[in-house]
Amino acid sequence: AQTVTQSQPEMSVQEAETVTLSCTYDTSESDYYLFWYKQPPSRQMILVIRQEAYKQQNATENRFSVNFQKAAKSFSLKISDSQLGDAAMYFCAYRANSGGSNYKLTFGKGTLLTVNP
Amino acid sequence: NAGVTQTPKFQVLKTGQSMTLQCAQDMNHNSMYWYRQDPGMGLRLIYYSASEGTTDKGEVPNGYNVSRLNKREFSLRLESAAPSQTSVYFCASRRQTGLAGDEQFFGPGTRLTVL
Repeated sequence: AQTVTQSQPEMSVQEAETVTLSCTYDTSESDYYLFWYKQPPSRQMILVIRQEAYKQQNATENRFSVNFQKAAKSFSLKISDSQLGDAAMYFCAYRANSGGSNYKLTFGKGTLLTVNP
Repeated sequence: NAGVTQTPKFQVLKTGQSMTLQCAQDMNHNSMYWYRQDPGMGLRLIYYSASEGTTDKGEVPNGYNVSRLNKREFSLRLESAAPSQTSVYFCASRRQTGLAGDEQFFGPGTRLTVL
């Protein structure tokens, strides 16, 4: 079974600084996707960024980027120029890219990010 | 588009009571999912429906039933609520584009407390 591990229950960063959230996963699949979701206090789950396993290039979305190390099964999220609105719970998620998996997401336990002014 | 909607937003039940959580999506998605979120546990899949007329168990299905009423609606029923079912419940639907990175869209969640 696939597992996703986020080893940092809480992190903090100063406004305008950079922070990196860690995620590791375990799978025997070779074709899969990885995601970072943001959950602010409103509870709404918001997709931040996604990475396809067969793409070597790391995904980037504005201030958010990932460091995907497939051999190490590591998928970290870097937030640059942190803003107060980035404060939230961040979840790493895995999804096998096969119809047999029914595209189910497996989530990590989350990292609570605090942004200090 | 309203996206994924869930009702109710909050609910308090007594042990043994039953209730149904409603979920609807207006994005014409085939697949729908129910998750629960507990403190320190992340989101765990309860049930899912790959398409209208089909449902399957996820990671934590015990104590729940689901109905895929039509393509838009996917309900979650607690027949006899237990305190262990106190949680936040999320419904999600998945866009299937055949392109890279099909995304799951989440509803706003239902906070359920069982006393």
